[in-house]
Amino acid sequence: QVQLVQSGVEGKKPGASVKVSCKASGYTFSDYFIHWVRQAPGQGLEWMGWINPKSGGTKYEQKFQGRVSMTRDTSISTVSMELNRLTSDDTAVYFCARNPAPGVPNDPLEYWGQGTLVTVSS
Amino acid sequence: DIQMTQSPSSLSASVGDRVTFTCRASQSISRHLNWYQQKPGKAPKLLIYVASTLQSGVPSRFSGGGSGTEFTLTINSLQPEDSATYYCQQSYGDPYTFGQGTKLEIK
Repeated sequence: QVQLVQSGVEGKKPGASVKVSCKASGYTFSDYFIHWVRQAPGQGLEWMGWINPKSGGTKYEQKFQGRVSMTRDTSISTVSMELNRLTSDDTAVYFCARNPAPGVPNDPLEYWGQGTLVTVSS
Repeated sequence: DIQMTQSPSSLSASVGDRVTFTCRASQSISRHLNWYQQKPGKAPKLLIYVASTLQSGVPSRFSGGGSGTEFTLTINSLQPEDSATYYCQQSYGDPYTFGQGTKLEIK
């Protein structure tokens, strides 16, 4: 069965960077886009971008441009999302999620990781 | 960017009731509209995609409709386990924006 398992809780200071990983299993890793979505405490869902694990190509929400990097390691079926220059506004649960159909990013998000809490505080 | 606006922001209803939520897009998104259910501390769960297609395993009391800029999610015969926050999301074009959510409370 499809599983996305994310790395654990992170606590960071303002100005630091965080890297959250998402390990995929149960399907052909390279065939499906992975998206990142975050949720600040008590707030709604915010789409951050996607990565194409086959090519490594990425698309980021403009507000994160220059501060976010999504990468993949096909040898371990893992994608990672690194966010730099953290502020308290980046305190959130970060989710990875997968489309149901191969090769297309503009689809619903069918499979989700369990979420990773990132807390930014001095 | 396409803005998604949900209404109401919260709703209280009783077991057995029928409720309808609305999601409006700032421009036409054809039928590229998805609905998710999220319970506290959990990842969102896909309920409906392309406006009206029920995701496998989702109870048939959930239904979706609409096209263009206005969409609805209806839950017939509310059950206690339907207490959650419901989000719409457009997958017409990036950024794939979400609505702000509708919190459903079961009395």
